[in-house]
Amino acid sequence: ELKVEQNPLFLSMQEGKNYTIYCNYSTTSDRLYWYRQDPGKSLESLFVLLSNGAVKQEGRLMASLDTKARLSTLHITAAVHDLSATYFCADKGPSNAGGTSYGKLTFGQGTILTVHP
Amino acid sequence: GAGVSQSPSNKVTEKGKDVELRCDPISGHTALYWYRQSLGQGLEFLIYFQGNSAPDKSGLPSDRFSAERTGGSVSTLTIQRTQQEDSAVYLCASSLRSTGGIDLGTDTQYFGPGTRLTVL
Repeated sequence: ELKVEQNPLFLSMQEGKNYTIYCNYSTTSDRLYWYRQDPGKSLESLFVLLSNGAVKQEGRLMASLDTKARLSTLHITAAVHDLSATYFCADKGPSNAGGTSYGKLTFGQGTILTVHP
Repeated sequence: GAGVSQSPSNKVTEKGKDVELRCDPISGHTALYWYRQSLGQGLEFLIYFQGNSAPDKSGLPSDRFSAERTGGSVSTLTIQRTQQEDSAVYLCASSLRSTGGIDLGTDTQYFGPGTRLTVL
């Protein structure tokens, strides 16, 4: 069974500071995803990372994937209030035909990020 | 362009009643997924459709839950004899395909706004 664990679960940051959210997954992964959720809203896709250790950046957010360590990170640079949200990582698992994980995402618990002035 | 839409946005029902939740995926997306989000359980996979068939129903919590997809488009999630523990936000997602190759975007799942179900 796929397991995805994020830490920290709660993160309170000051504006301008840097921090990293960690996402550990339990099996060889075909793809690793990061989503953002604002309160009362649905999930917004941020990044998709291939299993070859890709690094993606968008604005103040940078995501990376280490397949040997089965670890993805979401790094926040010089945080601003607008980044306050809940961030989820999700593992798709191996997509070999016949596997029941084919297509399905397994989500981490989510990290609630609050950025203070 | 239009994203994934879901209806109703909110549903309040009495314990024991049946409910139907609807999902309209992004036009042209062949894969459709249902998840639910609750405080205690986080985000859980329910069922996945490729076209009109459901190769993975492993997340449906009981036989009170069923889903269908017609015409490779709209999907309906039905919960029979609702229980209080069914209260959650039910999220639908769609993707162009269920698997991706070198094109990163083809299997990214795009989520709808959700249906908040409250069972009294």
